[in-house]
Amino acid sequence: AQSVTQLDSHVSVSEGTPVLLRCNYSSSYSPSLFWYVQHPNKGLQLLLKYTSAATLVKGINGFEAEFKKSETSFHLTKPSAHMSDAAEYFCVVSHSGNTGKLIFGQGTTLQVKP
Amino acid sequence: EAGVAQSPRYKIIEKRQSVAFWCNPISGHATLYWYQQILGQGPKLLIQFQNNGVVDDSQLPKDRFSAERLKGVDSTLKIQPAKLEDSAVYLCASSLEGRRATTDTQYFGPGTRLTVL
Repeated sequence: AQSVTQLDSHVSVSEGTPVLLRCNYSSSYSPSLFWYVQHPNKGLQLLLKYTSAATLVKGINGFEAEFKKSETSFHLTKPSAHMSDAAEYFCVVSHSGNTGKLIFGQGTTLQVKP
Repeated sequence: EAGVAQSPRYKIIEKRQSVAFWCNPISGHATLYWYQQILGQGPKLLIQFQNNGVVDDSQLPKDRFSAERLKGVDSTLKIQPAKLEDSAVYLCASSLEGRRATTDTQYFGPGTRLTVL
């Protein structure tokens, strides 16, 4: 069965410093992986997705993630945090069936301090 | 392009009462999903429709939850009777086809926050 584990429930950074949100996955096949962001009182928004093409995936708002099969990881990074990046971030894996079903991690709250 | 619409945005009910949520997906999207997001957790899929047929309802508590998408467009999720543990945000999402997550992005609505007292 597919699953994702987000290693940190809460991450706090200062504005202008790098962001690292960690995610490990478990899958019996080559997975599709995603990062979604959820701002307060707003819907989930897709940041980026890995679909077995390039292992380094670039997303919106300067975020990127690297798929590392040997480490079963898909960590999300950004070189310089902005106050508007404060939100909940979810690492997501697609279900093995061809239905589009998504399996979400527990989420990481990113706090950005001025 | 209009996004996924949901109503109401907030609902407070007593336990054992019933409640219904409404979702209107993005125009032309064949697939519609209902997720439950309990505080501090990631969303969990309750039910997935492809047009007006059910693709996956394996995690829907069918003794109290029901959902329909009669005309293959908007959808209603109902809880009857509600329990305290049903307090959560109910998210609706839609995608163009729903067959391949790799190429078929899911777009989420703002959610309905349900509080059961």
